[in-house]
Amino acid sequence: GAGVSQSPSNKVTEKGKDVELRCDPISGHTALYWYRQSLGQGLEFLIYFQGNSAPDKSGLPSDRFSAERTGGSVSTLTIQRTQQEDSAVYLCASSATQGFYGYTFGSGTRLTVV
Amino acid sequence: RKEVEQDPGPFNVPEGATVAFNCTYSNSASQSFFWYRQDCRKEPKLLMSVYSSGNEDGRFTAQLNRASQYISLLIRDSKLSDSATYLCVVNKGYGQNFVFGPGTRLSVLP
Repeated sequence: GAGVSQSPSNKVTEKGKDVELRCDPISGHTALYWYRQSLGQGLEFLIYFQGNSAPDKSGLPSDRFSAERTGGSVSTLTIQRTQQEDSAVYLCASSATQGFYGYTFGSGTRLTVV
Repeated sequence: RKEVEQDPGPFNVPEGATVAFNCTYSNSASQSFFWYRQDCRKEPKLLMSVYSSGNEDGRFTAQLNRASQYISLLIRDSKLSDSATYLCVVNKGYGQNFVFGPGTRLSVLP
């Protein structure tokens, strides 16, 4: 596609439920990144994919968080047993092979856990 | 020491002013540097890459000082529309993984 697409744009869920966030990167971009941003805070790195593998998942805050990428394209971030502190905007970005041109963000999924 | 550090601001400047932000990074192996801009409640957008020799894009000038491990962004003739948070981005020195600084908030006042 023309840009990075994320869905849903907004998600309200009850504490304890599982959620899945989807990212569809720019066509041909091999690198894909997940970040999250709490209100008024900076970007927090979660995980980075190169193709379908994740060379760096050091930012996943707990084992309730997992992510996968299939076919070198779409990625899903899953949060199990959501907690109120998981409330944030989850941003996905993708970049071309060399990554030296920066990367492009999607407009994010705003997750609210109530 | 944090991987990427920025003065959070806010920088409040009048229209037409020149303003400069610095960003320091800790990994001497870092090779790629960028400035991103983030408007309130929006995703970050690439403003410009930072090249070793320094580079300019209209009113914006970016500089890299490898010896001191900092990059800078200079904005000349500030516009109201320049009001945003400016994020310094540095790669980790391997692969394509990047670290974002906490951002510097700029408010251009009429």
